[in-house]
Amino acid sequence: QLQLQESGPGLVKASETLSLTCTVSGGSINSNNYYWGWIRQPPGKGLEWIGNINYGGTTYYNPSLTGRATISVDPSKNQFSLKMTSVAATDTAVYYCARRWSPQNRAYFDSWGQGILVTVSS
Amino acid sequence: DIQMTQSPSSVSASVGDRVTITCRASQDISIWLAWYHHKPGKAPKLLIYAASKLQTGVPSRFSGSGSGTDFTLTINNLQPEDFGTYYCQQANSFPAIIFGPGTKVDFK
Repeated sequence: QLQLQESGPGLVKASETLSLTCTVSGGSINSNNYYWGWIRQPPGKGLEWIGNINYGGTTYYNPSLTGRATISVDPSKNQFSLKMTSVAATDTAVYYCARRWSPQNRAYFDSWGQGILVTVSS
Repeated sequence: DIQMTQSPSSVSASVGDRVTITCRASQDISIWLAWYHHKPGKAPKLLIYAASKLQTGVPSRFSGSGSGTDFTLTINNLQPEDFGTYYCQQANSFPAIIFGPGTKVDFK
């Protein structure tokens, strides 16, 4: 059974860079069939898509993040990572990693991690 | 950009009830809509994709319908494990993935 697990610091200072890693187990990240994504949920708010990557490194991002997010992949470790620069209090959220599944060339997230709370402190 | 809205924002129900949640897109998204269930501290779960297709392992008390701009998620015979927040997600405007604001289902 596929499992995804987020890891990284739970506290980041404002203006610094948030760095998270997602470790995939029970399946290989080396698949043409899937992309791997990050989604976040600020406290009391809904889900916001951050971006996706495939094992070859092709990425897509939410334009609302104005280029602050970078997703990378390490197939040798079955991991993918998120870096977000110049964080502010509005970046405080639970961050989820997930597998993007694309039946009929449409994008859905069919497997998710438990999430990790990242708090941005001033 | 496509905007997603959901109604109601919250609903109180009892075990055994039928619950209906509506999702509306700001433009035609054909059938390209998914529904997720999210409980606090847990991983969100994909319930339905392509508006009406039940994801593997999801109980048949969940059903989805709709096309174009208006979609519905129906939960028949609500069970204790069904409480939580339900999100719709549009899958029409690749690669953008946009979620609705959520509908919270709690105990009456």
